[in-house]
Amino acid sequence: QSALTQPASVSGSPGQSITISCTGTSSDVGGYNYVSWYQQDPGNAPKLLIYDVSNRPSGVSNRFSGSKSGNTASLTISGLQAEDEADYYCTSYTSSNTWVFGGGTKLTVL
Amino acid sequence: EVHLVESGEGLVQPGGSLRLSCAASGFRFSSNWMHWVRQAPGKGLVWVSEINPDGSTTRYADSVKGRFTISRDNAKNTLYMQMNSLRDEDMAVYYCARGAAGASGLDYWGQGTLVTVSS
Repeated sequence: QSALTQPASVSGSPGQSITISCTGTSSDVGGYNYVSWYQQDPGNAPKLLIYDVSNRPSGVSNRFSGSKSGNTASLTISGLQAEDEADYYCTSYTSSNTWVFGGGTKLTVL
Repeated sequence: EVHLVESGEGLVQPGGSLRLSCAASGFRFSSNWMHWVRQAPGKGLVWVSEINPDGSTTRYADSVKGRFTISRDNAKNTLYMQMNSLRDEDMAVYYCARGAAGASGLDYWGQGTLVTVSS
């Protein structure tokens, strides 16, 4: 199972909005509404931000939102803050009854 | 409060074996799917394996299939990963994570335990 494709890095200034894409195939992202997103600070465990494409767990800021179109899922962070600087990963269920992560995206807040 | 605490960290030679444990507390352990996810030094997250609440269904990434075995003891609230025939590329921090009830995300993660494979 090949990893989902994410941009290696994105950047934005405080207050701006950024979007991170996660591209798969019809056998994973496109075939199921089982996409989730995670934030990971260096040296720490990942934190769930979005599940089932667009749902936020309680306690996660509404500045984080998720969507999907075809084989590509997206994470949008609005009102960018310095504390958002971290690595972000998507994951999807697959037709092989397994899960696959994206390669990760490093967000830099300028 | 949900807690997941991995143990079993160690240095093992290629071809060797190691067993990881993940002690769960703060929730009904027997109700959730549980997962192992790994992260090689400086690399991204990789899904490794999952097990259903009663342990009757297990799934693995192709890279570990036939070498790793996931299991659980619901009476002890503990998740396990038996790792055999370890390879250099298995060296990573291994996280246990809880599958969210009725949803696709992994909502709680342990702090991770490091597996080093080296001769």
